[in-house]
Amino acid sequence: QVQLVESGGGVVQPGGSLRLSCAASGFTFSSYGMHWVRQAPGKGLEWVAFIRYDGSNKYYADSVKGRFTISRDNSKNTLYLQMNSLRAEDTAVYYCAKDGIPHCGGDCYPNYWGQGTLVTVSS
Amino acid sequence: SYELTQPPSVSVSPGQTARITCSGDALPKKYAYWYQQKSGQAPVLVIYEDSKRPSGIPERFSGSSSGTMATLTISGAQVEDEADYYCYSTDSSGNHRGWVFGGGTKLTVL
Repeated sequence: QVQLVESGGGVVQPGGSLRLSCAASGFTFSSYGMHWVRQAPGKGLEWVAFIRYDGSNKYYADSVKGRFTISRDNSKNTLYLQMNSLRAEDTAVYYCAKDGIPHCGGDCYPNYWGQGTLVTVSS
Repeated sequence: SYELTQPPSVSVSPGQTARITCSGDALPKKYAYWYQQKSGQAPVLVIYEDSKRPSGIPERFSGSSSGTMATLTISGAQVEDEADYYCYSTDSSGNHRGWVFGGGTKLTVL
């Protein structure tokens, strides 16, 4: 069965950096795009970033563009999110999610989610 | 930036039909997806491509889309269906701007 396990969350000061990881298993990782989605405490879901199955294209929400970088290592079945210049408003649970369509080229969507990792940006 | 609009809350009694709407200008051209999130848990996909139901999702969950509005319908809502529900889609502009979630609807069944 699909398993997604996020790690790397923690407390970081404003302006700091953090790298999240997501270890995937139970499916052919190299055939699926992957998403990061976040949820601030008591708030709704916010889509953050998407990377195509082969890493050829990456997309970002305007709120993180230029500060966050999504990447993947298909040899390690692992997804990453490098977060720089962190702000208090980046405080959230960060979920990685597998896309629902192999080699998705258009209407991509998350169909399985990890349990999330909490990032707190505070001095 | 593109937005999807949902009502903040919907309330029904057990056994009644719950309808949650999602409006967006691009929905005539783009699919809507629906996620259920129970308190303290990760989201679960309940409807994809407007009206398809993933395996393991009860038949009482259905979806439809017409014009700029997509609707999630729960026929005969159960107490265990109480959760936050989010729609998800993308805009239809030529420059792909990514994807968005609606603001979420809290469904109360009591």
